[in-house]
Amino acid sequence: KQEVTQIPAALSVPEGENLVLNCSFTDSAIYNLQWFRQDPGKGLTSLLLIQSSQREQTSGRLNASLDKSSGRSTLYIAASQPGDSATYLCAVKVRETSGSRLTFGEGTQLTVNP
Amino acid sequence: GAVVSQHPSRVICKSGTSVKIECRSLDFQATTMFWYRQFPKKSLMLMATSNEGSKATYEQGVEKDKFLINHASLTLSTLTVTSAHPEDSSFYICSARDFRQGTTTEAFFGQGTRLTVV
Repeated sequence: KQEVTQIPAALSVPEGENLVLNCSFTDSAIYNLQWFRQDPGKGLTSLLLIQSSQREQTSGRLNASLDKSSGRSTLYIAASQPGDSATYLCAVKVRETSGSRLTFGEGTQLTVNP
Repeated sequence: GAVVSQHPSRVICKSGTSVKIECRSLDFQATTMFWYRQFPKKSLMLMATSNEGSKATYEQGVEKDKFLINHASLTLSTLTVTSAHPEDSSFYICSARDFRQGTTTEAFFGQGTRLTVV
């Protein structure tokens, strides 16, 4: 059974700092890995999607890497801003014959202090 | 990205009543919709997967008679919480995909529904 773990559970940093969020998964047979942002009481916003054949994806100040063999992904946020404060979830899409599913980690709650 | 609309965003109901949550894909056809439940500061737990025109597949431990899922069209799926109890209070999120586009495409999520049963 695929398990996804995110470390740390919570992180508080001053504005402007670069930071790294970690995600690990137990089964390397994945289709892709996706990073999401969730604001309090809201749904999920997709940030980056990395296919299993890719090593990284970049969007603005965000960079996500994937090391499938070791079961790890990182989300790098450069020059953090208070508006980046949210919970960040990673999810892996597992290979299944009858339609794939996403397995989520418990998230990292990020607070960027002005 | 594609838009998934979930309604209502918040609902309060009395114990014993039923409440329906709608999930609509606005600009694409969703062959498959997923319903998740999220407890405070916890991850999303998949409750069920519904394919258009077919019965939903429920995850282990999820009562299918309590959480009724209907996916009658390619743009609408509904989750009905029947005979709601306070322990059903939670955040429910739907996700939609068009599997005909292949397995590498991403899923799109609704904005969630906060259900409070009093």
